[in-house]
Amino acid sequence: DQQVKQNSPSLSVQEGRISILNCDYTNSMFDYFLWYKKYPAEGPTFLISISSIKDKNEDGRFTVFLNKSAKHLSLHIVPSQPGDSAVYFCAASKPRAAGNKLTFGGGTRVLVKP
Amino acid sequence: DSGVTQTPKHLITATGQRVTLRCSPRSGDLSVYWYQQSLDQGLQFLIQYYNGEERAKGNILERFSAQQFPDLHSELNLSSLELGDSALYFCASSSRTDSTDTQYFGPGTRLTVL
Repeated sequence: DQQVKQNSPSLSVQEGRISILNCDYTNSMFDYFLWYKKYPAEGPTFLISISSIKDKNEDGRFTVFLNKSAKHLSLHIVPSQPGDSAVYFCAASKPRAAGNKLTFGGGTRVLVKP
Repeated sequence: DSGVTQTPKHLITATGQRVTLRCSPRSGDLSVYWYQQSLDQGLQFLIQYYNGEERAKGNILERFSAQQFPDLHSELNLSSLELGDSALYFCASSSRTDSTDTQYFGPGTRLTVL
C-alpha cells in the first residue's frame, strides 16, 4: 500500500525555468510533509517542510504548496539551476504514531539543462 | 554535511554472514532512525530509537536488530544475510520524536551480499 506517491519518475527543465514536482498521499492522518534532495552515493538532504496547518512554505528558491482537500503537495524550484539535478523525495509523517517514521514517495529525478 | 555519520561506507559480504552498521547522530539529537533503500522498494523505514529505547518499528525483518547506546550512537545488526538484503542503509537523526521533527540523514552504507 503506497501511501505517498510521486507519479512522475523524471523531469527535465531548462536552467532558469521553474521545476514543479508533485506528490500525492492517501492517508489523511499525515500532518507533516518534507522534501528531500538526493545526489548519487549520498544521503537524502532536507530541503523544506510544511505542516498541515499551512498551505504554503517558502525558503529561498524553494516553495512547497499543500492542498489538503486534494491530498496533494508540490515543490516549486525557481529558478532552476544545474546543481538542482538530483532525485527528489517527498515524505510524510503523522502525529500520535509511536515514533516519527517517515513514509517516502518513490522519487522524481530532475535534470536541469544548462 | 548533515552531521550524521555512518560507517562503513561500503560493505561486501557473503550470504549467511552477519554485519554491523554504525551510526552517530548529530550532536544533541536523541532520536535515531534506520531506513533501507533498495531498487524495488524505495526508502523504507526500519526502526527508531529514542534516547536508548526502541520507539517505533517498521517492516524490519526478524534477522535484523538494532540498538542505541548510552552515548546515543546506534548499530544495526543484519544476520543470516540473503542476496535480497543488498541495499543502501541510511541512518537519520532528529532532536525529538514528534511528527513535526525534521530528520537529517547520514551518507549511508552500501551493503552488497554476494
